Order: sequence, then structure tokens, then C-alpha cells
Amino acid sequence: GENVEQHPSTLSVQEGDSAVIKCTYSDSASNYFPWYKQELGKRPQLIIDIRSNVGEKKDQRIAVTLNKTAKHFSLHITETQPEDSAVYFCAATDNNAGNMLTFGGGTRLMVKP
Amino acid sequence: DAGITQSPRYKITETGRQVTLMCHQTWSHSYMFWYRQDLGHGLRLIYYSAAADITDKGEVPDGYVVSRSKTENFPLTLESATRSQTSVYFCASSEGGHTTGQPQHFGDGTRLSIL
Repeated sequence: GENVEQHPSTLSVQEGDSAVIKCTYSDSASNYFPWYKQELGKRPQLIIDIRSNVGEKKDQRIAVTLNKTAKHFSLHITETQPEDSAVYFCAATDNNAGNMLTFGGGTRLMVKP
Repeated sequence: DAGITQSPRYKITETGRQVTLMCHQTWSHSYMFWYRQDLGHGLRLIYYSAAADITDKGEVPDGYVVSRSKTENFPLTLESATRSQTSVYFCASSEGGHTTGQPQHFGDGTRLSIL
């Protein structure tokens, strides 16, 4: 099955700086890569996703890049704000199991005002 | 997303008891999933279902039972609860019928404590 590794596990940045979280995956057939944000005590919420036929996708201050050759994808948050503080999870499809997603271990992002 | 609801939100029970966590979605999504979330382990898949009457094991199925008699409901039962099953449980759903992956939408979670 799919294996997803996520780095770093914790990330502290100053308000206004950029944050980058990286994930690698093992299954070259994976075709869908979502990112979720989970605030303390809340549900994971989808913030952006990318499909394997696209190299980059942007939505305001967040962007995701995908390198299929290297099998890694990254989340970029620019102009970070305190409300960006949360745990972020990447995921990739497991093509041996339909719509199943394999999640990375999560990154705790702390934005210091 | 109000379309997927879990109940109860909090539950305290004792070891050896049976407990059922409920999950209901109003989108008519084909796929439904149960995860547990423990500190240091992220989201781990317990069971999933591709359609009514079709279920399959995930990464950590031992000690859990699921059923899917109706598309909209996917209850998770701990037949004889153990302390190691203390966790936060999330239900999720996603569309089916696509050749590529689809986003999963999560419920608010059930915080389960087993004493």
C-alpha cells in the first residue's frame, strides 16, 4: 500500500513569514493529494488539493506543488497569520484501495505574533 | 460540513462494555471511513466502506466492528472496550464513481474515554 511521510513534525515561524511543509509518497500511481488543516479540538478540514496532472495549484496565500518524478509534494503558506496555527496533514490516494487516503503524520505549525 | 454528523460527541465507558459510535451523512456519498486519532499517530484508518453492505479493514481494525445497511449510516462498534481504545474517532465520507481520488469530508469527531 501507500506510505506517506511528512516533515517537519513541528514548525514555528514568525507572523508574516512563509511556511513550507513537505510530504513524500511511495506509490507512483497515486493521483490525488489533499491537504487538511486541523485546529485544536476540531475536525480536519480540506484546504487545498492537487491532482497528478497538475504541477502547482494556488489559492490566495496557500499553494501546493507536486513533483511526480521525485514523488513529493509540498504545502506553501505565505504571509502567515496567527490563525494559521494548526496541525496540517498531507495525504495521497492508495490506488490499491479505491478512494482510500493514506495520511502523513502531521505538522504542528505555530505562528508567533 | 453539516452534511456529516457523529454522535455522541463525548462518551465515557468502562472496560468490557460495548459501545457504538454513530455516523450519518446526507450527501449520498458512496464511501465512508472510520479513523482514530491518537497523539503521535495522526489519523489511522480503522474500517471503510465503498457502498452499502460492503466493508473492508483498514490499518487498525482489531477490536472494532462496522456495518453499512444504509448508504447514509456507518456505525462503529467496540464489542468489548479496552483502555487502548481511548481515542478521538472521526468519521468521513467521499464520493464514489470516479477513477481518481476524491476529498474526504470529516465529522466533528467522538472523544471516547474508557476507564
